[in-house]
Amino acid sequence: GENVEQHPSTLSVQEGDSAVIKCTYSDSASNYFPWYKQELGKRPQLIIDIRSNVGEKKDQRIAVTLNKTAKHFSLHITETQPEDSAVYFCAAKHTGNTGKLIFGQGTTLQVKP
Amino acid sequence: DAGVIQSPRHEVTEMGQEVTLRCKPISGHDYLFWYRQTMMRGLELLIYFNNNVPIDDSGMPEDRFSAKMPNASFSTLKIQPSEPRDSAVYFCASTLTQNYGYTFGSGTRLTVV
Repeated sequence: GENVEQHPSTLSVQEGDSAVIKCTYSDSASNYFPWYKQELGKRPQLIIDIRSNVGEKKDQRIAVTLNKTAKHFSLHITETQPEDSAVYFCAAKHTGNTGKLIFGQGTTLQVKP
Repeated sequence: DAGVIQSPRHEVTEMGQEVTLRCKPISGHDYLFWYRQTMMRGLELLIYFNNNVPIDDSGMPEDRFSAKMPNASFSTLKIQPSEPRDSAVYFCASTLTQNYGYTFGSGTRLTVV
């Protein structure tokens, strides 16, 4: 089955700096890669996703890149703000009917003012 | 739409007692997922349903856990008997098709003492 590895487990940056979180996946059939943000005591919320037919997707200060050959994908946050502090999860799945979303272990991002 | 609704938000029970967690998916969504979140194991998929039918229950930890979806708007996850190691946050999520990310409920924080 699919296995998703996420690094680093914790990340501390200064406000205004960039943050990068990386994930690798094992199942070459996976074709959908969402990222979730979870604030303390809240639910995971989808912030951006990418499909295997594109290499990069951007939404304001966040972007995701995908390297299918290497089976890894990354989340990039630019101009970080204190409200970006949260746990970020990557995930992977195959969009077939039996596919299931498998999550990485999470990265705790702290943005220092 | 009110989103995915879970109840109760918090549950404290004694070891050996039966616990029932409830979930109402977003209207029209035909996939429903139960996840468990702990610090040690992260977000684990327990079971998921498609059109009220269980598709994959390979993540259910043991026979003490059972899940049902009697109709398109309601699902339960039952633990009987409960044990302290079952303490976790249990999330329900739903999606319209497997081509998109999941919308999570607010979760149920279960504490078994």
